[in-house]
Amino acid sequence: DTAVSQTPKYLVTQMGNDKSIKCEQNLGHDTMYWYKQDSKKFLKIMFSYNNKELIINETVPNRFSPKSPDKAHLNLHINSLELGDSAVYFCASSQGTWLGYEQYFGPGTRLTVT
Amino acid sequence: AQSVAQPEDQVKVAEGNPLTVKCTYSVSGNPYLFWYVQYPNRGLQFLLKYITGDNLVKGSYGFEAEFNKSQTSFHLKKPSALVSDSALYFCANGTASKLTFGTGTRLQVTL
Repeated sequence: DTAVSQTPKYLVTQMGNDKSIKCEQNLGHDTMYWYKQDSKKFLKIMFSYNNKELIINETVPNRFSPKSPDKAHLNLHINSLELGDSAVYFCASSQGTWLGYEQYFGPGTRLTVT
Repeated sequence: AQSVAQPEDQVKVAEGNPLTVKCTYSVSGNPYLFWYVQYPNRGLQFLLKYITGDNLVKGSYGFEAEFNKSQTSFHLKKPSALVSDSALYFCANGTASKLTFGTGTRLQVTL
């Protein structure tokens, strides 16, 4: 069983469209994250949720809206897609918000905006 | 201010030789330091972490890392590299409520 899964794996869309990426974890973790990895492989946190509550929002444009229907799911909706949104988006989870917990990553969603 | 730095974009080593991937950190107080590995087209996988205690930390796949407070370093090591260790390695530091990653080091192990 996959611990952290994301759908879709690949997403190709045009500028201006709206798209969503879904994430699910079956580890029983309380905390989930969204990261963006750019073309240079630089990895940066976007959002963090703990028990469905937003705890980190890292200066991400308002076009990005995370939603956590329950603590096992964290989805990412992106409005009015721009070329610069092209990247690989990773979902991750950890036991809790303590910084000493390791994070478990999903396989990533490669978003290409044309 | 950068929380962790990985000074080498790429490290090349022959199979069977020891490998070192460097990481230095800058943080006040006690750091929470991690190493993750990313294989092509995959998510990051946790290798090991230092929170407190013994400065030599052992992790997955035969990797270890040494926490050196005086040099503010947390270098990743393996006594004998394998071709299958070729991947992108990230050092990370837990600070200010989040995990901050270094820029990554690409390890290439050749036959």
